Amino acid sequence: GQSLEQPSEVTAVEGAIVQINCTYQTSGFYGLSWYQQHDGGAPTFLSYNALDGLEETGRFSSFLSRSDSYGYLLLQELQMKDSASYFCAVRGGSNYQLIWGAGTKLIIKP
Amino acid sequence: NAGVTQTPKFRILKIGQSMTLQCAQDMNHNYMYWYRQDPGMGLKLIYYSVGAGITDKGEVPNGYNVSRSTTEYFPLRLELAAPSQTSVYFCASREGTAETQYFGPGTRLLVL
Repeated sequence: GQSLEQPSEVTAVEGAIVQINCTYQTSGFYGLSWYQQHDGGAPTFLSYNALDGLEETGRFSSFLSRSDSYGYLLLQELQMKDSASYFCAVRGGSNYQLIWGAGTKLIIKP
Repeated sequence: NAGVTQTPKFRILKIGQSMTLQCAQDMNHNYMYWYRQDPGMGLKLIYYSVGAGITDKGEVPNGYNVSRSTTEYFPLRLELAAPSQTSVYFCASREGTAETQYFGPGTRLLVL
């Protein structure tokens, strides 16, 4: 079957750095995406990695290792507004569909 | 530019009733998707469409139907509602050459 695994919850302190990991097992692989979802809101796109390496967008970075079927989202200089759930999603065997992880709830403490 | 819009925001259905969840996008995106999200879970794909007149099943299509007569609209039909269909439903769209999926605000459905 196809599956993505990510931690259910991560806690960090305001101003710190946090890493959210995602491992995947899919029948094909086009790329790994990350989405943010605040409570009661809709998912919003953060980043996409198709090739190995690090992609940086402001305070957020995303990393991919295709050989390890692994990626992570790195959030720097954490702010209280970053408290949300973060989902990894793989465009796998189908070019049109995303397979989603169950999400990681990020709790930020002052 | 409204993006992706969904109606209604919230609905309570009785078991066995039917309803249509509306979704519209004004970005001229070819790809559109319907997801459901159960509490504390990720998104499950119900149906998707790669263009007007073309639809296909996702991971959890049973109990649902879709149509796509135009690029803008992608309604989701629930027939014979069941408590297991209690969920939040999100519609999303994507331009064919880009990765970003744009989501509507969601419809919260409660089946009692």
